[in-house]
Amino acid sequence: GDSVTQMEGPVTLSEEAFLTINCTYTATGYPSLFWYVQYPGEGLQLLLKATKADDKGSNKGFEATYRKETTSFHLEKGSVQVSDSAVYFCALTGGGGADGLTFGKGTHLIIQP
Amino acid sequence: DGGITQSPKYLFRKEGQNVTLSCEQNLNHDAMYWYRQDPGQGLRLIYYSQIVNDFQKGDIAEGYSVSREKKESFPLTVTSAQKNPTAFYLCASSPYNFKNIQYFGAGTRLSVL
Repeated sequence: GDSVTQMEGPVTLSEEAFLTINCTYTATGYPSLFWYVQYPGEGLQLLLKATKADDKGSNKGFEATYRKETTSFHLEKGSVQVSDSAVYFCALTGGGGADGLTFGKGTHLIIQP
Repeated sequence: DGGITQSPKYLFRKEGQNVTLSCEQNLNHDAMYWYRQDPGQGLRLIYYSQIVNDFQKGDIAEGYSVSREKKESFPLTVTSAQKNPTAFYLCASSPYNFKNIQYFGAGTRLSVL
């Protein structure tokens, strides 16, 4: 079945550091890929998405490129802020035509001032 | 404002009791979903519904039940058969297209007394 693997956390960085959170996936067909962010005690918010190979999703300074050859969708940001502290989930849907999102386990990001 | 409303925010269940979590959306979305979130395990799909009066089991449906009598409502019942119900429950909706974005509610935290 479909699966998503993302790097274990917590990831602790200083403010203005460069961020990379790795995400790789296994899926049949041609999935859409997503990054969601969850702030403490809240639901998930869509951060960015990509629906086909070589697409780059971007939002709020975050970027991720859909790499079919390496089955990856790594999240990057050039300069993180304290307000970026949250849990980040990589997810996919639609690879085999099934409904629902398949999530990674989440990466807890902590940004220190 | 358009969105997804989950209630209550916190819920407590006694031994042997069934409890129902509410999910309402005014986005006119066809599809709705229930996920369970446990620490360190990401989100797992419980049930989903693509249209009114139809729903499908997800990966962890045992001990749960749902109904979809109205397009805007998708309540989840946690039955007494669910032996480990303590978790954060998230409801989501999307237009009926498996590549489209899912929008999430703020969640309900269920605990056992």
